[in-house]
Order: sequence, then C-alpha cells, then structure tokens
Amino acid sequence: NAGVTQTPKFRILKIGQSMTLQCTQDMNHNYMYWYRQDPGMGLKLIYYSVGAGITDKGEVPNGYNVSRSTTEDFPLRLELAAPSQTSVYFCASSHQTGFQPQHFGDGTRLSIL
Amino acid sequence: GENVEQHPSTLSVQEGDSAVIKCTYSDSASNYFPWYKQELGKGPQLIIDIRSNVGEKKDQRIAVTLNKTAKHFSLHITETQPEDSAVYFCAEGADRGSTLGRLYFGRGTQLTVWP
Repeated sequence: NAGVTQTPKFRILKIGQSMTLQCTQDMNHNYMYWYRQDPGMGLKLIYYSVGAGITDKGEVPNGYNVSRSTTEDFPLRLELAAPSQTSVYFCASSHQTGFQPQHFGDGTRLSIL
Repeated sequence: GENVEQHPSTLSVQEGDSAVIKCTYSDSASNYFPWYKQELGKGPQLIIDIRSNVGEKKDQRIAVTLNKTAKHFSLHITETQPEDSAVYFCAEGADRGSTLGRLYFGRGTQLTVWP
C-alpha cells in the first residue's frame, strides 16, 4: 500500500518558470490537502479539496492553483515561480473530516533561483 | 483556529528521561488535537490525538493531556530513546464551522535524545 505519493522529490526552478507538483493517493480518501513547510514555521495550508471537482483556499493560496478531477490525484500548480515559493511542499489525505488522521507524503523540496 | 503556540522550539534530553512539549490555542470551537512526528526527509506522521471530551490519552510511552478551560494541551514522552529524536508538531481543528476539516499547526519542537 503506497499511501500518499509525491513527485518529484526535488526540483530547482528559475524565477518565472511554471511547474506542477504531483500528488496521488491510493486509500480512496475524500479529503486532500497541500501544505508548505518553511523552517521554524510549521505547516501552512495552501489549498484543500473535500472531493473530486471541489477545491477551496487555505491560509496561503496566492501564487498557486489546484484541480481535483479524480479522487486519487490532487496536483498543485505554480504558474510564475517566485523566490518566496522556495519551500518544502507536503500533500496529505484523510478519509473524511478533520477528525480522521491526515496521511502525509514525503514532500517535494522546491528551490526557486 | 489560526493561533497555535508551541513550546519549546528545541528540547534536548538524556536517554531515559522524560520530554514534555506544550501547546496553547485560542479558538474555543477547537475540539480535535493531534500530534505529529516528523523524521528527517519524511512527511509528518500522526503519533497520538485527543478529542475535547477526553482529558488524557496514553499509548505506551506517549501521553497527551488536554485542558480545555485553559486552552492548552501537552505531549509527554517517557523513557525517551534516541529514535524519539525528531521534530514534533501539535495541531488543532474543529468539526464544525468555516474551518471544518482543516488543521492548524504549531511551529514544531526539535527533540534530541542523547544516548
């Protein structure tokens, strides 16, 4: 059972480039989340989804976009990469509302230069 | 549910000693309090959680206590081992309202257990 899988693990982008961070889960979870983790700052929610076709903003959505066309996949899109988006990005999923544990992937470390 | 204070930011203990990490929150509607452990290069992993109708929960060497009146909760690790070394995050969430399904995380505590 793979759980939550994120690709790529590492990426370096130039300012202004775009990319998509992939996230897929095989647990048939309805809820999926994207967080960013900056040193000493904990995890901040970027976007989340309660099911296919439904997405909503979290605490820090600016500069990002998401889509949820299937239950399994929840990609995160950076359209115009900026140095402030250098961070470690984590995808998570849970079966239903917040009282069910969130299962995390191992992250994508992204550097914008 | 946006203000979660976590202390200390770093904690060093000798193997076999106990470790305590404390968190405070401000949202009275919060009623779910999980703790996550993050090892180097990995994603956070849930280690224990507590709901607001319970004051204490224990799982082997790990325990969590909750004081809803004072709005604080704590993680207790007894008989620490070197493999307990990691970053620990507290979080809080609510099962109703505009923040349904969302978790708010503390800034983390780097625990180091010296052999």
